[in-house]
Amino acid sequence: DAMVIQNPRYQVTQFGKPVTLSCSQTLNHNVMYWYQQKSSQAPKLLFHYYDKDFNNEADTPDNFQSRRPNTSFCFLDIRSPGLGDTAMYLCATSRDRVYEQYFGPGTRLTVT
Amino acid sequence: DAKTTQPPSMDCAEGRAANLPCNHSTISGNEYVYWYRQIHSQGPQYIIHGLKNNETNEMASLIITEDRKSSTLILPHATLRDTAVYYCIVTGADGLTFGKGTHLIIQP
Repeated sequence: DAMVIQNPRYQVTQFGKPVTLSCSQTLNHNVMYWYQQKSSQAPKLLFHYYDKDFNNEADTPDNFQSRRPNTSFCFLDIRSPGLGDTAMYLCATSRDRVYEQYFGPGTRLTVT
Repeated sequence: DAKTTQPPSMDCAEGRAANLPCNHSTISGNEYVYWYRQIHSQGPQYIIHGLKNNETNEMASLIITEDRKSSTLILPHATLRDTAVYYCIVTGADGLTFGKGTHLIIQP
């Protein structure tokens, strides 16, 4: 019973070549989050959607954007990936604000 | 979000209770204490949360001191599969601010 699904699980892209990561959920949760986790570091929140309202963290690079076309899907777009964007990208959902979050398995992105 | 302090690592024998401490002395009245864990190469997993009362679920127990300045996560009978990084997070807002967590190693 997969609840938060991320595709692809592994992605290799070239420096500067746009890439899109996908997240879908079967929980019908209002809130969807994107986190970045670099090697040996803790996850770091990039942004989140509360329903259709987009909320960007202050230090998220402009290179990172997100779309949420409907309740079930959310996308992370990296317009011009740099080598420093190599990381695990984690999607999470929660029923509402300040509720527990359910994480997907992550997409491991490598920029070469 | 209030800052948390956790020991960087702990060992526990298989079958024993694992007690993971967390200090959050600057917690404010509307902030919850959440615990998540992350097994290597997987997404974080929610364990338990509380506001001021002690909580128990099928995975763990959460003990919060009366002044709410610290808490302890208890895994009652640790197994090898409980080896993971455990994060204590205090939040009253959207999103989670992860600290460095505690790397719990269960020894056979």
